[in-house]
Amino acid sequence: EGQLVESGGGLVQPGGSLRLSCEASGFTLSSYGMNWVRQAPGKGLEYVSGVNSNGVTTYYANSVKNRFTISRDNSKNTLYLQMDSLRAEDMGVYYCARGNVNIFYLAAFDIWGQGTMVTVSS
Amino acid sequence: DIQMTQSPSTLSASVGDRVTITCRADQSIRYWLAWYQQKPGKAPKVLIYDASNLQSGVPSRFSGSGSGTEFTLTINSLQPDDFATYYCHQYSGYSQTFGQGTKVDIK
Repeated sequence: EGQLVESGGGLVQPGGSLRLSCEASGFTLSSYGMNWVRQAPGKGLEYVSGVNSNGVTTYYANSVKNRFTISRDNSKNTLYLQMDSLRAEDMGVYYCARGNVNIFYLAAFDIWGQGTMVTVSS
Repeated sequence: DIQMTQSPSTLSASVGDRVTITCRADQSIRYWLAWYQQKPGKAPKVLIYDASNLQSGVPSRFSGSGSGTEFTLTINSLQPDDFATYYCHQYSGYSQTFGQGTKVDIK
């Protein structure tokens, strides 16, 4: 079974930027749609963004549209989330998750990373 | 966006109980629904996908049913390891949403 490991979280000031990475192992990333899901402290799960296996089709939740960019480098088996213009409400644990087919929709998330914490504070 | 209403928000139960959690969509999502279990400090884990398919390795006491707008997760004979928070997730289109979660705790 495969594994996902996120990195890149940390403390950032409001208006700042962070780039999250999600490295896949044990499976070929290029065969699967991928997603980012976040969870604010003590709250539920929120879908953030998704990308098809070829990296061409993407989607962003309204709450992050025009501020976040999802991308992938299949040759490095790595998914990314570039987060700009960060706000206090973006704070939380960010998970990458694999869809169980090559598109990011019509697919349950069968493998999740351990999560990386993003703190937005001055 | 499709709204998912999950109920109850909390549920107190005992080991051996049969537990039912419901998720309702405000429009049809056919069978594009999954159920996840999450324990504190851990990532979610898929239990059921496509409304009623048991994920490999998940105990058979978990089952899912429903289609269209109403879905159910049932846990038969609740075990100590099952005390956790459960989320439904609709993935019928680009925009995806999770239910608010149901925390199952010990009565």
